[in-house]
Amino acid sequence: GAVVSQHPSRVICKSGTSVKIECRSLDFQATTMFWYRQFPKKSLMLMATSNEGSKATYEQGVEKDKFLINHASLTLSTLTVTSAHPEDSSFYICSARESGHYGNQPQHFGDGTRLSIL
Amino acid sequence: SQKIEQNSEALNIQEGKTATLTCNYTNYSPAYLQWYRQDPGRGPVFLLLIRENEKEKRKERLKVTFDTTLKQSLFHITASQPADSATYLCALDIGGNTPLVFGKGTRLSVIA
Repeated sequence: GAVVSQHPSRVICKSGTSVKIECRSLDFQATTMFWYRQFPKKSLMLMATSNEGSKATYEQGVEKDKFLINHASLTLSTLTVTSAHPEDSSFYICSARESGHYGNQPQHFGDGTRLSIL
Repeated sequence: SQKIEQNSEALNIQEGKTATLTCNYTNYSPAYLQWYRQDPGRGPVFLLLIRENEKEKRKERLKVTFDTTLKQSLFHITASQPADSATYLCALDIGGNTPLVFGKGTRLSVIA
């Protein structure tokens, strides 16, 4: 079945550091990927839609200069948390759907990245 | 306003019983509705998808119903096991390449 790989699974770093998270679709192409943030015992909060070859679409209230998204190829999207601060600590999850198959298709999720800023 | 609600934040049931989780929505017209399972510290995993013109879908011990008149989906796990303990998320597919709209989830605990 379709697999989405997300790396790293856990990051602990000092305040002010920039952190890059990678999301790869392993056996399918994805022109669109989605980035979510999840707080403990809360639902998934969509942050942005990553579009291959064009700018990401950010949800209201999400700072695009803070959360840089690059979708460089049909199988890779990256999220960079710039100058991270303790309030950016969270669980970040990426998701993808196979290109050209919309509706009647699940979103495949990575296993998430636990980001802890000290 | 548009809303998707899973009416129980947490549900505890005895092993062997049937767990029933509810998902209600307002001001959406989804073409499909999906259910996912999420374990702590992991990403959601797809379980079942049901179309708007389907009343019921089954997969092993899982059953999903979809009532577009009531704007409700029910998710059943029969003969529940402790290994079924997880958070279950419903999600609306409103079409095109838009992301799914997720409910807040129901945390199911199956007690041996």
